[in-house]
Amino acid sequence: AQSVAQPEDQVNVAEGNPLTVKCTYSVSGNPYLFWYVQYPNRGLQFLLKYITGDNLVKGSYGFEAEFNKSQTSFHLKKPSALVSDSALYFCAVKTGGSYIPTFGRGTSLIVHP
Amino acid sequence: DGGITQSPKYLFRKEGQNVTLSCEQNLNHDAMYWYRQDPGQGLRLIYYSQIVNDFQKGDIAEGYSVSREKKESFPLTVTSAQKNPTAFYLCASSLTSGTGAYQPQHFGDGTRLSIL
Repeated sequence: AQSVAQPEDQVNVAEGNPLTVKCTYSVSGNPYLFWYVQYPNRGLQFLLKYITGDNLVKGSYGFEAEFNKSQTSFHLKKPSALVSDSALYFCAVKTGGSYIPTFGRGTSLIVHP
Repeated sequence: DGGITQSPKYLFRKEGQNVTLSCEQNLNHDAMYWYRQDPGQGLRLIYYSQIVNDFQKGDIAEGYSVSREKKESFPLTVTSAQKNPTAFYLCASSLTSGTGAYQPQHFGDGTRLSIL
């Protein structure tokens, strides 16, 4: 079975400060990890993914994520937050044995001016 | 541009009524999915389909039905048996063959269903 945990329902950060949105996972086998962003009344948009290789992956809108196998984590980061980054963020995991991802419950990111 | 189109954007259901949510994709993806989103509960999988004329129940299929007569289309019917249908419904698609496991899902912009 595969599972994803996003331990924070909400993250608050001031504009210009670095942000981190946390994600941990549990799978049998190698994980394929994804981050998505959702703006109000919209669908999810893909941000970035880790499949294999370099543990630091870069994605859209200046976001990056670090894969840590020993801690089974895939935290989303951005060096300098923007008010427009305020949205709901979802982490998801798949394995080679299943094409259906498991999503976390989502973390609401609020960036204050 | 390729993408997923969900319609309508907003839908209202009367007591005892079935309603159908439309989902169409032109990405040539083989798999399609329906999710229900409630505040604070993330995404819950209702049904999914990997090929035409075949589909499987997800975690919360009771009170819902689907069909997959064409690769491009995966409509969801919310039946009168679904007693709490008020939610945001999201349709998604993805590749499953070849490098499909490495690929993200693509999502439509959702349908918000409310009870009158």
